[in-house]
Amino acid sequence: DAGITQSPRHKVTETGTPVTLRCHQTENHRYMYWYRQDPGHGLRLIHYSYGVKDTDKGEVSDGYSVSRSKTEDFLLTLESATSSQTSVYFCAISATGDNSPLHFGNGTRLTVT
Amino acid sequence: GENVEQHPSTLSVQEGDSAVIKCTYSDSASNYFPWYKQELGKRPQLIIDIRSNVGEKKDQRIAVTLNKTAKHFSLHITETQPEDSAVYFCAASIQGAQKLVFGQGTRLTINP
Repeated sequence: DAGITQSPRHKVTETGTPVTLRCHQTENHRYMYWYRQDPGHGLRLIHYSYGVKDTDKGEVSDGYSVSRSKTEDFLLTLESATSSQTSVYFCAISATGDNSPLHFGNGTRLTVT
Repeated sequence: GENVEQHPSTLSVQEGDSAVIKCTYSDSASNYFPWYKQELGKRPQLIIDIRSNVGEKKDQRIAVTLNKTAKHFSLHITETQPEDSAVYFCAASIQGAQKLVFGQGTRLTINP
């Protein structure tokens, strides 16, 4: 299995608080992605990174920001959490982007009360 | 932008029978089509993928077919077993954008 670690695995937070999820990889892959998974919606891309300090928006980026200061770490921040952001968040990595497999982390279950 | 439609959303088959899941995509420039299996509470894991220069690929009981003209691809599972029960996702690449778009998923149940 690809070396991807997500932390925390579970988190409960209150509406309006900031939350940061961390993804750490040991594969030295260039591309990293944050997806959210909700029933009936599959996996939707939030943000992705194609290198250190290089990031771009996905299809559901509103209310989220990301940072990548090192190859191995990709952080997802919910600036002011809302109940609609209750979801399971998956980080994924890829060696070459759109023409190679994604390898997923174990996910973070976030509940916003 | 690229859109991937996946059908059916749920599928129930008898153990030993075959299962087929279909996906259509909108971007004719897409050239990479992976399939992922997600067991309950686990992460999605790649089970098979196909690139646009190939029409079919097989790995034991799993096969994927691609029709570029019609812009659709399908996952075929033969001789289904209880451990095949899971949610399956298809995906298609977005040319030049270094990312994949996923279908909505199919919940496959194998009945003993």
